[in-house]
Amino acid sequence: DGGITQSPKYLFRKEGQNVTLSCEQNLNHDAMYWYRQDPGQGLRLIYYSQIVNDFQKGDIAEGYSVSREKKESFPLTVTSAQKNPTAFYLCASKAGRGDTQYFGPGTRLTVL
Amino acid sequence: QKEVEQNSGPLSVPEGAIASLNCTYSDRGSQSFFWYRQYSGKSPELIMSIYSNGDKEDGRFTAQLNKASQYVSLLIRDSQPSDSATYLCAASTGGGNKLTFGTGTQLKVEL
Repeated sequence: DGGITQSPKYLFRKEGQNVTLSCEQNLNHDAMYWYRQDPGQGLRLIYYSQIVNDFQKGDIAEGYSVSREKKESFPLTVTSAQKNPTAFYLCASKAGRGDTQYFGPGTRLTVL
Repeated sequence: QKEVEQNSGPLSVPEGAIASLNCTYSDRGSQSFFWYRQYSGKSPELIMSIYSNGDKEDGRFTAQLNKASQYVSLLIRDSQPSDSATYLCAASTGGGNKLTFGTGTQLKVEL
């Protein structure tokens, strides 16, 4: 089946720890995105990548890092520098010529 | 800062009625517009996309776009309880490489 997978579904982190969220797609999409969603709010863009080995900061990149070593994978690391990381994290992808983004199931991160 | 504005609701409609969801955007360069449905605790799923002025129909859903007024709407006919969700409006920015999302409108369809 084609689609976008994110793991884990739920993640708990202690303060001061770095954690990495996985995002994989087998849609052969060129572009991938990371968003953060807080309760009652819309989606805010963290980072995006249009091609392998290249990525750009979104609106709220501070405290996060990404890599794009393979077309199908775009992991997000939430570092200890992110002061309020508890949120729902969504990964999305789109084909190169289109502008429609499709979302994975999300990872809910909670800082204990 | 390019923005997409939506009324947060909740918008309550009786079962079988027409639900009307509205959205305005600030970036006149936006060319593509999207409506996503998001159930509580789940990820957004694409409902409709629209690129040209006018109406676009898909089953019970109709998207309307007015670029002069910078206004997008979504009509849901014969609303069902299963339509109860948050509807996110999004507009393309950055030459189509990014989307800007509104905060969403919560729709409640009551029996």
